[in-house]
Amino acid sequence: QSVLTQPPSVSGPPGQGVIISCSGSSSNIGTKTVNWYQQAPGAAPKLLMYKNDQRPSGVPDRFSGSKSGTSASLAISGLQSEDEADYYCAAWDAILNRVIFGGGTKLTVL
Amino acid sequence: QVHLVESGGGAVQPGGSLRLSCRASGFTLKTYAMHWVRQAPGEGPEWVGYIWHDGSNTYYADSVKGRFTMSRDNSENMFFLQMTSLRVEDTAVYYCARDPPGSGWALESWGQGTLVTVSS
Repeated sequence: QSVLTQPPSVSGPPGQGVIISCSGSSSNIGTKTVNWYQQAPGAAPKLLMYKNDQRPSGVPDRFSGSKSGTSASLAISGLQSEDEADYYCAAWDAILNRVIFGGGTKLTVL
Repeated sequence: QVHLVESGGGAVQPGGSLRLSCRASGFTLKTYAMHWVRQAPGEGPEWVGYIWHDGSNTYYADSVKGRFTMSRDNSENMFFLQMTSLRVEDTAVYYCARDPPGSGWALESWGQGTLVTVSS
């Protein structure tokens, strides 16, 4: 069981939006920044969002991140078929002294 | 262009050892902390450990502490993971990833991964 909790799956039709949640605790999300990764089948994870709400160069502004208390969210608007992937949140845990990943959320574009 | 290439994976029996390498190109390795992350078949990523930019400090996941050792050679743009006492549950694709200063442990670039299979 992951220290960071994500819904196993989310889905939405093309053009609509979805939100993926990530719940943690005071030792990780509560005091550290959250990063998000996108992983297409057979590929390495790709950094999608860092420091809660910062998009790396090349990531469309359809993707946005936020954090409140011990939870974080990744919002994806204007869903496209190429958004189908697994999404993982991650953060440093100050008690465990390690990077922790959420269990992942599979996004299906219907 | 940033490029990370892992090598050294393969099949090994339980109790055996392997040394993974990560060759960096397109950037100056000494500026970046570096991480190893692994992913077992059908599972999510599991962080293995990381090493500071100058090699002065390392952190490991509990699952590998005492068995795995990270090192780096900034002059050669290389990063390593020495794995000993391997277990079946260490079977995974192993990725190296770079972590820019001040990024909040964001793994900005990843290699393509190298497969380690531990089986008798």
